[in-house]
Amino acid sequence: DGGITQSPKYLFRKEGQNVTLSCEQNLNHDAMYWYRQDPGQGLRLIYYSQIVNDFQKGDIAEGYSVSREKKESFPLTVTSAQKNPTAFYLCASSIPRPGETQYFGPGTRLLVL
Amino acid sequence: AQSVTQPDIHITVSEGASLELRCNYSYGATPYLFWYVQSPGQGLQLLLKYFSGDTLVQGIKGFEAEFKRSQSSFNLRKPSVHWSDAAEYFCAVGEYNAGNMLTFGGGTRLMVKP
Repeated sequence: DGGITQSPKYLFRKEGQNVTLSCEQNLNHDAMYWYRQDPGQGLRLIYYSQIVNDFQKGDIAEGYSVSREKKESFPLTVTSAQKNPTAFYLCASSIPRPGETQYFGPGTRLLVL
Repeated sequence: AQSVTQPDIHITVSEGASLELRCNYSYGATPYLFWYVQSPGQGLQLLLKYFSGDTLVQGIKGFEAEFKRSQSSFNLRKPSVHWSDAAEYFCAVGEYNAGNMLTFGGGTRLMVKP
């Protein structure tokens, strides 16, 4: 079955630590996205990539970094510069054309120890 | 900049009652619009979308939505709610000039009374 996988389901970060969230898709989509979800705030875009080896900052990129070395993979690193990382992180993918549906993974919940 | 407002943070309806979730957007051109549903701790699932054409859009699970340009609205409706519809619902608006970027509303949490 085609879809998007995110791992781990839960992730714990210690003070000053960088952590990486995995996102893999087998939908053959060129575009991939990372969103942060906080209660009552909907989804906010962190980074997006419309093609391999290229990515752009979204609305809340500070304290995060990404790479896009393969079409299938778009890992997100939460760096120690992100002072409030506790949130639910969602990865999505789509054909990079207006009106195309974004398909979402199951999410990773990041908690700070 | 475009924005999406979902005025109702929480809604409670009785099972079998009708449902309408409101969505208003701010966008300079003709938008494309989505409704997604999210169960607790899960990702988002597409219910329906409007891109062009007929302004009344049918979706999965018996949901429909109507695009009203004059009111800048895209309200989601269901004639008879089931207990399994309890979830959070997100409206999103898309941007033509930047690939497939979406702006999401803050969400409406639906609770269903037996």
